[in-house]
Amino acid sequence: DAGVIQSPRHEVTEMGQEVTLRCKPISGHNSLFWYRQTMMRGLELLIYFNNNVPIDDSGMPEDRFSAKMPNASFSTLKIQPSEPRDSAVYFCASSRGTSGDTQYFGPGTRLTVL
Amino acid sequence: AQSVTQPDIHITVSEGASLELRCNYSYGATPYLFWYVQSPGQGLQLLLKYFSGDTLVQGIKGFEAEFKRSQSSFNLRKPSVHWSDAAEYFCAVGVVNNDMRFGAGTRLTVKP
Repeated sequence: DAGVIQSPRHEVTEMGQEVTLRCKPISGHNSLFWYRQTMMRGLELLIYFNNNVPIDDSGMPEDRFSAKMPNASFSTLKIQPSEPRDSAVYFCASSRGTSGDTQYFGPGTRLTVL
Repeated sequence: AQSVTQPDIHITVSEGASLELRCNYSYGATPYLFWYVQSPGQGLQLLLKYFSGDTLVQGIKGFEAEFKRSQSSFNLRKPSVHWSDAAEYFCAVGVVNNDMRFGAGTRLTVKP
């Protein structure tokens, strides 16, 4: 299995630009999670989906952030407009979707907003 | 509310020495507990997990963890640390609805 795939691995953009991060979960997994990791705040859950439906988006910092999961094999996290404080590593993870299931993480996207 | 506390932000041990990383959780029911490791520039990799049964859990890379309900703890141990174990370690508790709460992490430095 290829594992969770994220693209791009690195993104450098200027403040005000739109940024789109992409994730392909492990085939057969029903739950997908987006996390943000920074030195100051550690690992934060932004949003998670179950069977393509957003279940909890309480971690999304503000309206500039949006996430979609149009099908079982693809999800996007969009930031529009981006700000320097959005600079972080963004991880996508997936799991089979039952309580307590192991989450498998992708390699992350390192976002730098200048 | 569910939470995980890792009291040690940074630990330094000598290569070959034993290691114990502490984790305390707060959760009303029987928890699902996990330890993940993150090497620099990498994603998180599962080391081991506890669901039920034997309270001593064996994981990959020679790690083990012991669930102690009375202390609300799930400490990670390794008898002899290797230089390649230098990384960040995260304890996590799985809660209902497939959600998960992570601790702040403990950074491990291994001295030669």
